[in-house]
Amino acid sequence: LAKTTQPISMDSYEGQEVNITCSHNNIATNDYITWYQQFPSQGPRFIIQGYKTKVTNEVASLFIPADRKSSTLSLPRVSLSDTAVYYCLVGPTGGGNKLTFGTGTQLKVEL
Amino acid sequence: GAVVSQHPSRVICKSGTSVKIECRSLDFQATTMFWYRQFPKQSLMLMATSNEGSKATYEQGVEKDKFLINHASLTLSTLTVTSAHPEDSSFYICSAPRGDSGANVLTFGAGSRLTVL
Repeated sequence: LAKTTQPISMDSYEGQEVNITCSHNNIATNDYITWYQQFPSQGPRFIIQGYKTKVTNEVASLFIPADRKSSTLSLPRVSLSDTAVYYCLVGPTGGGNKLTFGTGTQLKVEL
Repeated sequence: GAVVSQHPSRVICKSGTSVKIECRSLDFQATTMFWYRQFPKQSLMLMATSNEGSKATYEQGVEKDKFLINHASLTLSTLTVTSAHPEDSSFYICSAPRGDSGANVLTFGAGSRLTVL
């Protein structure tokens, strides 16, 4: 399984765009990149997933360069409620494949 | 769609007793489920992979006789912490791959906080 490296913490203010980068140098050809959000005392929640280039949904964008050795989660105009831990996971396709969590990034949004 | 229900959300037990945590996929079938453990201020640690109709696969360092996993049906997996001790106090979270995704997106339960006195 590809190991991921993220910043331990980030601080931002409401209304700003936040970009969290994840490094995954040994990503495999069939690996997807998935981001999850976790609030205290809750299970993680899926945010976005991608394989290459750019993916956008209603809550975030995911930028993946051509070499796929890193990815950047972009949260537009964050609010206080976006304060959470964000995890970048890399793993193969197929529902039976286990995924391991890295340290995650604690995002703190202030007024 | 793709909801995973976990029960109980909180449980307090005495040292030496056993505790069972249930994980149900409510609107999809899950031949595989994953159990994680999370200590305060730490990341999730994968404990085991639960497989419907067969034995669970445990991660290195996880005692299979202490953390009994049963995947009785395509919608239910249970984790039993046997002879619990205070060091087993933790946040236990289950997850299942979404049925509609071939790209391995996990749906997580809300977690179960175990406190062993």
